[in-house]
Amino acid sequence: DAGVIQSPRHEVTEMGQEVTLRCKPISGHNSLFWYRQTMMRGLELLIYFNNNVPIDDSGMPEDRFSAKMPNASFSTLKIQPSEPRDSAVYFCASSSWTDTEAFFGQGTRLTVV
Amino acid sequence: DQQVKQNSPSLSVQEGRISILNCDYTNSMFDYFLWYKKYPAEGPTFLISISSIKDKNEDGRFTVFLNKSAKHLSLHIVPSQPGDSAVYFCAACVRGGSNYKLTFGKGTLLTVNP
Repeated sequence: DAGVIQSPRHEVTEMGQEVTLRCKPISGHNSLFWYRQTMMRGLELLIYFNNNVPIDDSGMPEDRFSAKMPNASFSTLKIQPSEPRDSAVYFCASSSWTDTEAFFGQGTRLTVV
Repeated sequence: DQQVKQNSPSLSVQEGRISILNCDYTNSMFDYFLWYKKYPAEGPTFLISISSIKDKNEDGRFTVFLNKSAKHLSLHIVPSQPGDSAVYFCAACVRGGSNYKLTFGKGTLLTVNP
């Protein structure tokens, strides 16, 4: 298996623009997580899905952030409009109910200028 | 409110010596704990875990110790190697049922000097 695949690896955008981050989880995994890594806050959970259903989105910073999982093999995290303080590395991770550990993608480094 | 705390942002040790990374948690409902390792420009990778019914788990050079009464766990790396230089994240979760989420600490940057 190729593991969790995220795209793009790097994104530079101007303030106010819409940004869409994409994730393909490991085939057969039931849970999908979006995390954000910053120096100040470390790895924060933004939202997670079970069987494509959002379970907990309490970590989503504000209404500018939204996430979808239209099917078991694809998820998006959208920021609209983007702001410089959204600059961070965004990770997607997936897991199955038989494993407790989550498997992470390589991340998307977002820079908003 | 940080439920998982890694109070040392960085640690530097000499090759061949022991590295000890510490982690504290506040949520007494956590019953499973994990350590992840992260190299620059890569995602975190799972290293070792421990259930709350145990106080020690060992895997090669890596050992995790859990002190439930103190809500404290530690990761020991013996002997430390330069390739162990990375950021180490402590994580915790509540298992059971079909819904769980990992709560992470801020990480500790380990540097192993040759």
